[in-house]
Amino acid sequence: QITLKESGPTLVKPTQTLTLTCTFSGFSLSTSGVGVGWIRQPPGKALEWLALIYWDDDKRYSPSLKSRLTITKDTSKNQVVLTMTNMDPVDTATYYCAHIPITMIQYWGQGTLVTVSS
Amino acid sequence: QSALTQPPSASGSPGQSVTISCTGTSSDVGGYNYVSWYQQHPGKAPKLMIYEVSKRPSGVPDRFSGSKSGNTASLTVSGLQAEDEADYYCSSYAGSNNNYVFGTGTKVTVL
Repeated sequence: QITLKESGPTLVKPTQTLTLTCTFSGFSLSTSGVGVGWIRQPPGKALEWLALIYWDDDKRYSPSLKSRLTITKDTSKNQVVLTMTNMDPVDTATYYCAHIPITMIQYWGQGTLVTVSS
Repeated sequence: QSALTQPPSASGSPGQSVTISCTGTSSDVGGYNYVSWYQQHPGKAPKLMIYEVSKRPSGVPDRFSGSKSGNTASLTVSGLQAEDEADYYCSSYAGSNNNYVFGTGTKVTVL
């Protein structure tokens, strides 16, 4: 059974850096074809893809947010970390991590709401 | 990278069918057979309903079906049930630079 869970701060101040951790089980990020990604959803709005890291450490970023995002993995801990710099109130959203076997976003975490406010 | 275009809403009575469109470009929907559909109930995480245009994951009822023609993909829900009332999002692979793009979302109401 594949599960993922996001963790991190629920409140950050404008200009601060957000660090989110995805801890997963039921699969290995060293297995060929496997990726873990991050998607966010502002309240009442649509989903937005953010970043993805593959088993071979290939990293992909949303073109519009690339300058602010960094994704890393710790295979031994079954964790993927996303950092987003220079947070703004418009970045207030539920952030999801997901299991991505290349052609689909297969399993999703429960999501974590991050509010950006002073 | 622009979002894929979906109608804001769709509705049908129990037992009826509803079809949701998802329009992109030749760089995403039209260029790859990697269109997925997700169902999201309020306050819940999205759930994969269709992948690779028309394939259903284990456990998804066969009332859900997907198709694609050119730059437009579609999700059809047949035999609508009350539990099908939710938001639906499409997604497409969009190449190595953009990776994935989502649709604008469609709220399905069961009348």
